[in-house]
Amino acid sequence: NAGVTQTPKFRILKIGQSMTLQCAQDMNHNYMYWYRQDPGMGLKLIYYSVGAGITDKGEVPNGYNVSRSTTEDFPLRLELAAPSQTSVYFCASRGQGAGGELFFGEGSRLTVL
Amino acid sequence: GQNIDQPTEMTATEGAIVQINCTYQTSGFNGLFWYQQHAGEAPTFLSYNVLDGLEEKGRFSSFLSRSKGYSYLLLKELQMKDSASYLCAVQREYGNKLVFGAGTILRVKS
Repeated sequence: NAGVTQTPKFRILKIGQSMTLQCAQDMNHNYMYWYRQDPGMGLKLIYYSVGAGITDKGEVPNGYNVSRSTTEDFPLRLELAAPSQTSVYFCASRGQGAGGELFFGEGSRLTVL
Repeated sequence: GQNIDQPTEMTATEGAIVQINCTYQTSGFNGLFWYQQHAGEAPTFLSYNVLDGLEEKGRFSSFLSRSKGYSYLLLKELQMKDSASYLCAVQREYGNKLVFGAGTILRVKS
């Protein structure tokens, strides 16, 4: 079972470059999330989606954009990368229901120099 | 908004019991999750509480008091492999927004 797949696993960007972190899930989950985790810290919610065509901001959305054209995919776009965006990014999904377990991808480690 | 507070670090001895607390303030509440995260890995699900009381699952138990905005994770018979970060996450009533606390690093010593 693939579960939640994130690509790339590692990336180094120069300041001002743009890139897209890909996230795909094969569990037919409605809810998908993007979090970032700085060293020694908890997870900060960037954006989330409750279904195809519906997205909403989380705690730290500035500098990022998302889209959800299909149930399976939830890409995260970084425009004009800054050193403050150096972090580990986790994509997660879960099914319907309030107590649904959140399934995480393996994470994408991004460094902006 | 939401405020979620957990102790930063805790140390306990192998075989002992440890309790990790989480307090929260939220404009809406629809459940609380606990996740375990080993260094360099993604978080994994431990428990979910939406009603007051204790949920037991093997060596791990989780408690919730909604009126006090308080939860704890209880780990029994500690093992070295329990050394990890433990994350408390609160789900808001609307929108399925799931927000995490900063996490508690637990170190188990022999």
